[in-house]
Amino acid sequence: GNSVTQMEGPVTLSEEAFLTINCTYTATGYPSLFWYVQYPGEGLQLLLKATKADDKGSNKGFEATYRKETTSFHLEKGSVQVSDSAVYFCALLQNTGTASKLTFGTGTRLQVTL
Amino acid sequence: DVKVTQSSRYLVKRTGEKVFLECVQDMDHENMFWYRQDPGLGLRLIYFSYDVKMKEKGDIPEGYSVSREKKERFSLILESASTNQTSMYLCASRSPTGNRPYEQYFGPGTRLTVT
Repeated sequence: GNSVTQMEGPVTLSEEAFLTINCTYTATGYPSLFWYVQYPGEGLQLLLKATKADDKGSNKGFEATYRKETTSFHLEKGSVQVSDSAVYFCALLQNTGTASKLTFGTGTRLQVTL
Repeated sequence: DVKVTQSSRYLVKRTGEKVFLECVQDMDHENMFWYRQDPGLGLRLIYFSYDVKMKEKGDIPEGYSVSREKKERFSLILESASTNQTSMYLCASRSPTGNRPYEQYFGPGTRLTVT
């Protein structure tokens, strides 16, 4: 079956530091890949996506590149802010058919300090 | 903007009680989902519904049931609550036929404590 593996957290960084959160996946075929973010007290919201190999998703300064050869979709940001403190989930979608479902990683908590 | 609302943010129930968690979405989405979120385990799918009166078991359906009588509403039912069902419950919706078939929209969550 499909699975997503994320690096363990929490990740603690100082403001303006460089962020990498690793994500690798196992799936057949060509899934779509996502990063969702959950701010304190809220539900998840889509941060970025990539639907095919070598696509780069980007949003709010975050980026991730779909690497089929390494089955990875690592999240990066060049300079984090305190407001980026949240839990980040990597996820995959095998297809977009009627009954398709997301498979989530376990989440990585990011804490950014001044 | 899509809005997914959940009936309660916090709920405290006693062991053995029947518990209803309600979720409503306002974008005419076909698919709706119930997850539970636990530290170190991420999101685990309990049940999902791909249309009215349609439902399928997710990865951890034991101890839960669902109801979808109307397209906008998806209810999660704990027939007899137990302490191991203490968790954060998240509802989500999606339209696989819309112009953003990949994006799921989540509610704010219900933190359920069973004592």
